[in-house]
Amino acid sequence: DAGITQSPRHKVTETGTPVTLRCHQTENHRYMYWYRQDPGHGLRLIHYSYGVKDTDKGEVSDGYSVSRSKTEDFLLTLESATSSQTSVYFCAIRSHGTGGEDTQYFGPGTRLTVL
Amino acid sequence: AQSVTQLDSQVPVFEEAPVELRCNYSSSVSVYLFWYVQYPNQGLQLLLKYLSGSTLVESINGFEAEFNKSQTSFHLRKPSVHISDTAEYFCAVTLSYNTDKLIFGTGTRLQVFP
Repeated sequence: DAGITQSPRHKVTETGTPVTLRCHQTENHRYMYWYRQDPGHGLRLIHYSYGVKDTDKGEVSDGYSVSRSKTEDFLLTLESATSSQTSVYFCAIRSHGTGGEDTQYFGPGTRLTVL
Repeated sequence: AQSVTQLDSQVPVFEEAPVELRCNYSSSVSVYLFWYVQYPNQGLQLLLKYLSGSTLVESINGFEAEFNKSQTSFHLRKPSVHISDTAEYFCAVTLSYNTDKLIFGTGTRLQVFP
């Protein structure tokens, strides 16, 4: 358990509405990530953050924005939700191991349905 | 750019039988390799990882994976599966000199039957 929580855990919304998903961590990790999981695609990176106010795009960033104003919180926003954004969203942190290696640990996920 | 291929989308097997879940990666430089497991309606949990050193790595619940550089593979094996091993398994790769991004395979669903 890497101390990661996601909220909400489930959400149903309508096309065109804004949606914000929250990822919260308690262990002061510098790197945080947002992925989406879809059948047949595995996990795909949306955006990631390497510090407060420092973010970068992943492979499927179109239609999403992120913000990180505090170390512990990483927000994912869908400005105008579309049905193609129906998915399960996972947050992850990157932890440094004793040998300096980096490993990602995942939150429990948020299931988002856009009608 | 690196990539990961999991050749089998589903693997059905009977309880107590051996299983192998295949993973091949593509990269021209040194990599770190990971296997994650996702039980139904849960998040991903790290199962095991290869960073360096011994090419055979083991998990606490009896799984093992062997890094084969010449065949660019990192197959996951277990000599005797349990019903509780039913889950989806994801192979992932990252560059050893830049671990900013983790690239996942599409997953293999292991279904263990009694």
